[in-house]
Amino acid sequence: AQSVSQHNHHVILSEAASLELGCNYSYGGTVNLFWYVQYPGQHLQLLLKYFSGDPLVKGIKGFEAEFIKSKFSFNLRKPSVQWSDTAEYFCAVNGGGADGLTFGKGTHLIIQP
Amino acid sequence: DVKVTQSSRYLVKRTGEKVFLECVQDMDHENMFWYRQDPGLGLRLIYFSYDVKMKEKGDIPEGYSVSREKKERFSLILESASTNQTSMYLCASRPGLAGPGESYNEQFFGPGTRLTVL
Repeated sequence: AQSVSQHNHHVILSEAASLELGCNYSYGGTVNLFWYVQYPGQHLQLLLKYFSGDPLVKGIKGFEAEFIKSKFSFNLRKPSVQWSDTAEYFCAVNGGGADGLTFGKGTHLIIQP
Repeated sequence: DVKVTQSSRYLVKRTGEKVFLECVQDMDHENMFWYRQDPGLGLRLIYFSYDVKMKEKGDIPEGYSVSREKKERFSLILESASTNQTSMYLCASRPGLAGPGESYNEQFFGPGTRLTVL
């Protein structure tokens, strides 16, 4: 079975700080990887996704993530965070089948002005 | 623009009641999913469906059932609600698997139904 581990459950940063959220997964085959974000009171929405090609993927709002196959990792980064990035962030993986996504437990990010 | 709607944003039910949570998507997606979201546990897959009248168990199907009579609608049923089913329930949809060489499609989520069972 697939599993996803997000290392930090709560992160507090000041505006303009750099962000890196860790994500490791356990599935050994070909994977599709996702980062979703849930802003307070809003729908879960896709930040970025990886399924093949360049392991460095860029998403919305200045976020990027790097797929490192040898480390089973897909860490999310942003060079300079803003107060509006306060949200819950979820890493998710799919092993390529028609079934649902396996999510990590989420990271609650708070950006202090 | 894909739209996934859920019948209620907030619902309060009593232990033992039968509860129906409805989800409708307007983009003709083949696949639909039900998750529950709990603090510190992330999202966990309850059931999914890849076609009308087809259903598959997810990771935590116990205490739930589903119904998919029409392509656009996927219902989650709690036959006899219990307090440990108090949670946020999220519905999602996705197009059918793409052909060889094509990419996996993202899931589109509804706003969620916060269910409280007293």
